[in-house]
Amino acid sequence: QKEVEQNSGPLSVPEGAIASLNCTYSDRGSQSFFWYRQYSGKSPELIMSIYSNGDKEDGRFTAQLNKASQYVSLLIRDSQPSDSATYLCAGGAGKSTFGDGTTLTVKP
Amino acid sequence: GAGVSQSPSNKVTEKGKDVELRCDPISGHTALYWYRQSLGQGLEFLIYFQGNSAPDKSGLPSDRFSAERTGGSVSTLTIQRTQQEDSAVYLCASSLQRDQPQHFGDGTRLSIL
Repeated sequence: QKEVEQNSGPLSVPEGAIASLNCTYSDRGSQSFFWYRQYSGKSPELIMSIYSNGDKEDGRFTAQLNKASQYVSLLIRDSQPSDSATYLCAGGAGKSTFGDGTTLTVKP
Repeated sequence: GAGVSQSPSNKVTEKGKDVELRCDPISGHTALYWYRQSLGQGLEFLIYFQGNSAPDKSGLPSDRFSAERTGGSVSTLTIQRTQQEDSAVYLCASSLQRDQPQHFGDGTRLSIL
């Protein structure tokens, strides 16, 4: 079992819809979790960090952490074509481990 | 401020040659990571440096790969006797501490002919 698993993609949503990206992790000692966005041909860039149970909102992005169930999710509200990218979940106790990513396409 | 800097941005070399890839992390960041990413694939962890601790080399795919970090700052990833399967983008990232978010450089695109 991989330390960090992401829901298999690709994911396609219409413009204006909510995109939901999910991630589970196996190490119960994990304390910090991150969502990165990677556009084709570019490096990953951090979009959200979350350390505590519950929701964390930043603009159109909401990260959710449930340590009891060992999952992390990212919601993108009012999805835009510019949100089309691969989203990487990372987490761990110390050194972060990355999931394989979920490719999101937002169709105009 | 300056981000993570990687050089060269592109490297083309012949099979069997040795290559060195350089990473200059964000000043003050104690953790430094190397990853490899093949086209359309996820990040493959290679090696992790944290302060003065022994590096975590668990991701290095073979003994042809090695890395060092001098003075807790600049890091060099060396690939000896390159093979065509080594062709990929090599990404370096640094973080303030081990459990902090990572900041990535632009990568080195390595092509082995």
